[in-house]
Amino acid sequence: DAKTTQPTSMDCAEGRAANLPCNHSTISGNEYVYWYRQIHSQGPQYIIHGLKNNETNEMASLIITEDRKSSTLILPHATLRDTAVYYCIVRVPSDTYGQNFVFGPGTRLSVLP
Amino acid sequence: AAGVIQSPRHLIKEKRETATLKCYPIPRHDTVYWYQQGPGQDPQFLISFYEKMQSDKGSIPDRFSAQQFSDYHSELNMSSLELGDSALYFCASRAPTSGSYNEQFFGPGTRLTVL
Repeated sequence: DAKTTQPTSMDCAEGRAANLPCNHSTISGNEYVYWYRQIHSQGPQYIIHGLKNNETNEMASLIITEDRKSSTLILPHATLRDTAVYYCIVRVPSDTYGQNFVFGPGTRLSVLP
Repeated sequence: AAGVIQSPRHLIKEKRETATLKCYPIPRHDTVYWYQQGPGQDPQFLISFYEKMQSDKGSIPDRFSAQQFSDYHSELNMSSLELGDSALYFCASRAPTSGSYNEQFFGPGTRLTVL
């Protein structure tokens, strides 16, 4: 799996957009970018995933650069409840069941009032 | 919507005791994953099962074993517990889909404390 690098921590004002970058310069052509988050001691929560096109769902948007070497997760209107550790994970989606995720270290996002 | 259920939510054991953690996947999910998260650490993959067979193995100690039953629930058995086994243990399940959809749904975790 491609290695990812993320900022250790970020702050964001409540109500503003939170932009979380992820570098995955060694990503291969068949690897997807997944984003999960973990709110203090809770189970990780799926946010979004994508291959090369930008993706949007009810939680967030995912912007992937044309060369796919980096991506940005956007939380359009951050709330205090979005304070969490955000993990960017790159891996091949596979019909080989049992494919696990490699977490870490992620970005600790603090949404400030 | 139904979520992954883990029991117990909290467990306190003494050193050298045994523990069994249970995971009930989302209905119709056939793949189960176990992760361990130590204090201040990121989740680390332990083991996974697909259709009741072990499908992948991570950094699971030999003292631990796991299985998936015919109803797809899974149990993680931990013996000769050590202080370092104190951690959050997460179970995740995945639906039998293919292609790009590889979303894992995580349970709330079991907090194991070894004294």
